[in-house]
Amino acid sequence: DVVMTQSPLSLPVTLGQPASISCRSSQSLVHSDGNSYLNWFQQRPGQSPRRLIYKVSNRDSGVPDRFSGSGSGTDFTLKISRVEAEDVGVYYCMQGTHWPPITFGQGTRLEIK
Amino acid sequence: EVQLVESGGGLIQPGGSLRLSCAASGFTVSNSFMTWVRQAPGKGLEWVSVIYSGGSTYYADSVRGRFTISRDSSKNTLYLQMNSLRGEDTAVYYCARMLFGSMDYWGQGTLVTVSS
Repeated sequence: DVVMTQSPLSLPVTLGQPASISCRSSQSLVHSDGNSYLNWFQQRPGQSPRRLIYKVSNRDSGVPDRFSGSGSGTDFTLKISRVEAEDVGVYYCMQGTHWPPITFGQGTRLEIK
Repeated sequence: EVQLVESGGGLIQPGGSLRLSCAASGFTVSNSFMTWVRQAPGKGLEWVSVIYSGGSTYYADSVRGRFTISRDSSKNTLYLQMNSLRGEDTAVYYCARMLFGSMDYWGQGTLVTVSS
């Protein structure tokens, strides 16, 4: 099974400042079709998870452009250029390349400092 | 508009059974890969099961042999039959549509509490 490891697990950020979350996989997420199926989800308090990014760097419709995804192979990053109050919540990476089983990172809790 | 609505959660004693439902609209369940994901109180996301459009099913080790995923095309609904429930199965259960190695739409979740 592919293990997904996120860091940090807790991320206090000042409003307007950037934030970055790392996600590392235990094996390369490059699929035989050439794509890397690495996704990022946001879960606000009391809500269901919402997809932000798919295939490493593709932003979902309605996701602000302050969110961006990057990376390749086994190392991936979610960046928020300027944190806003509505960004508070838990962020998860998820791999969809080698499944089943589908695996998630442990989650990173973003809070406002 | 795609929508997923789960139901069927509740309080159940250890060893009991429960069936969760996920009613879909805006797309056809039987033409899609559909999955269940759960989240124990205060914990992260854990994948539970998937059903492929062709009908193949897969399960996490923690639920294999106890849970069964299925669908009803006439009702456009996904199900999760949960037997021999344990305390560690206590969680919010989400259904989600899988597309190209991702989960693009999620339901609001239904809470299952296993306790005596």
